[in-house]
Amino acid sequence: DAKTTQPNSMESNEEEPVHLPCNHSTISGTDYIHWYRQLPSQGPEYVIHGLTSNVNNRMASLAIAEDRKSSTLILHRATLRDAAVYYCIPRGGGSNYKLTFGKGTLLTVNP
Amino acid sequence: KAGVTQTPRYLIKTRGQQVTLSCSPISGHRSVSWYQQTPGQGLQFLFEYFSETQRNKGNFPGRFSGRQFSNSRSEMNVSTLELGDSALYLCASSLEGRDIDEQFFGPGTRLTVL
Repeated sequence: DAKTTQPNSMESNEEEPVHLPCNHSTISGTDYIHWYRQLPSQGPEYVIHGLTSNVNNRMASLAIAEDRKSSTLILHRATLRDAAVYYCIPRGGGSNYKLTFGKGTLLTVNP
Repeated sequence: KAGVTQTPRYLIKTRGQQVTLSCSPISGHRSVSWYQQTPGQGLQFLFEYFSETQRNKGNFPGRFSGRQFSNSRSEMNVSTLELGDSALYLCASSLEGRDIDEQFFGPGTRLTVL
């Protein structure tokens, strides 16, 4: 499994954009980059995933570096409901049907 | 459509007992995975089932076992409970468990071992 490095914690203000970084320098060429988040007292939930080009969905955007060794999850306007632990998870042919969670980034959103 | 459901939501057991947890996946999903979450170790993969077959297993002792039924519902069992088994047990389902498949998690079962 590719190793990931994420900040332990980040803080943001409500309605401001948030950029959550992730380094995955050992990622293989066929690994997808998945992001999940876990709100307090809930199971994790899928946020977004991508392979090479940037991706957008209703929840967030994912910017992937050209060399794929890092990616950034972008929340365009943070809300209090976005306060959660965010996990960056490379997933590819060697993932063997599992998600390998690291420690993630605890995002605090201030009102 | 209905999400992943897990029963029971809370459970208290004593050391040495055994426990069975249940997971009902989203309709049409054939892959079910189980994870253990503790403050010290974080989220750890237990095992994954697809079409009633275990395809992968994490690094947990044999006391942890699971199975999947023909309707994709899954159960996990922990025998001879230890204090360290106190954790949140999460179940996730996906269409086929492929690397591109989104995994949907249930709310978890909070197990406390006294």
